[in-house]
Amino acid sequence: LAKTTQPISMDSYEGQEVNITCSHNNIATNDYITWYQQFPSQGPRFIIQGYKTKVTNEVASLFIPADRKSSTLSLPRVSLSDTAVYYCLVGLYNNNDMRFGAGTRLTVKP
Amino acid sequence: GAVVSQHPSRVICKSGTSVKIECRSLDFQATTMFWYRQFPKQSLMLMATSNEGSKATYEQGVEKDKFLINHASLTLSTLTVTSAHPEDSSFYICSARRGSGGTDTQYFGPGTRLTVL
Repeated sequence: LAKTTQPISMDSYEGQEVNITCSHNNIATNDYITWYQQFPSQGPRFIIQGYKTKVTNEVASLFIPADRKSSTLSLPRVSLSDTAVYYCLVGLYNNNDMRFGAGTRLTVKP
Repeated sequence: GAVVSQHPSRVICKSGTSVKIECRSLDFQATTMFWYRQFPKQSLMLMATSNEGSKATYEQGVEKDKFLINHASLTLSTLTVTSAHPEDSSFYICSARRGSGGTDTQYFGPGTRLTVL
């Protein structure tokens, strides 16, 4: 199981780009990296998933360096509604290993 | 994206009663479902993993006789909190994994808020 480490909290302002980095030094060869967003009293929502290099979708980008020991979730031009907790998960899903770390509480200010 | 529902969304019960929470994957078949518990200001804690047609695998420290999990079909898993007590009050979240490959994504339900009086 690859343990993940993220900053506990981050502050930003509307319109800025936010980068949240997750460390996973003991990531295994077959592990994938997935990021989720969670609002209070709701279930986590899938944001993006990747294995290496860069992945981009309509809401975020995920940057993964060659050694894969970390990953960075990039949220372009955040708004107040992006205030949430963001979790990075690392694992091989068919091993049923889906444990969450502490997450990063992002606060977007006007 | 895939949709996972939970029912009920909120339940209040008296101490000593049992509560059943349903988790359904609405538009896909889920071979594996997960149950989590989340206390205020904390992360999600994995309680158990259930595979369709087999017994659930519980995490260390989770009482299997207290938290009964049934995964009778590819679209339904239930969590029954037996003889609930106030310390069982929490936010319970299920998730379902579509497929069985290494890149398959886990989709979460909206959660169930349990309050035991």
